Amino acid sequence: EVQLVESGGGLVQPGASLKLSCVASGFTFSDYWMSWVRQTPGKTMEWIGDIKYDGSYTNYVPSLKNRFTISRDNAKSTLYLQMSNVRSEDTATYYCTRVNSGYYFDYWGQGVMVTVSS
Amino acid sequence: NIVLTQSPATLSVTPGESVSLSCRASQSISTSIHWYQQKSNESPRLLIKYASQSISGIPSRFSGSGSGTDFTLSINRVESEDFSIYYCQQSYSSLYTFGAGTKLELK
Repeated sequence: EVQLVESGGGLVQPGASLKLSCVASGFTFSDYWMSWVRQTPGKTMEWIGDIKYDGSYTNYVPSLKNRFTISRDNAKSTLYLQMSNVRSEDTATYYCTRVNSGYYFDYWGQGVMVTVSS
Repeated sequence: NIVLTQSPATLSVTPGESVSLSCRASQSISTSIHWYQQKSNESPRLLIKYASQSISGIPSRFSGSGSGTDFTLSINRVESEDFSIYYCQQSYSSLYTFGAGTKLELK
């Protein structure tokens, strides 16, 4: 059974940094592109970016490219999202997703909440 | 960016009715549209890929159609468990985007 389990969320002050993790199981992690998607409190879904199966390439939504970094450790079957200089508009639930070779998200984690507030 | 416009924003129905949800793209995207269902307090799940291709484990009452800029998710005879938010997502561009969602609610 495919499982994606996120962690690392919580309350963070504006301007701070935060690193989210996603541990994958039930499939060969190193065979798949992975992605982060976030959902605002108003239910808007936003794709953040993705990373190639070997970690050699990343792609981001332009509005977040300068503050968010996606990485992975295939030996640990773990995906990461490094968030820097966070803003109130980054308050959202962050989902780790597996990207099917057909460029859709076939599995989603349970999500982790990030609240940016002073 | 490819903008996806979903309509209506909210659809109020009674169980047993059949419904159609719309997703319109700002440019032609062939059939590169995928549909997700998100039940309250749950993660989204994939319903339909590439406009009309079924997904294993998804009830047959869900179907998709369309190409180019206009796409439709149809639910044949809505059941109580179907009251959720439905999102479309495009993969024509490598900068993936989602629609704002359609909330299917009990009338």
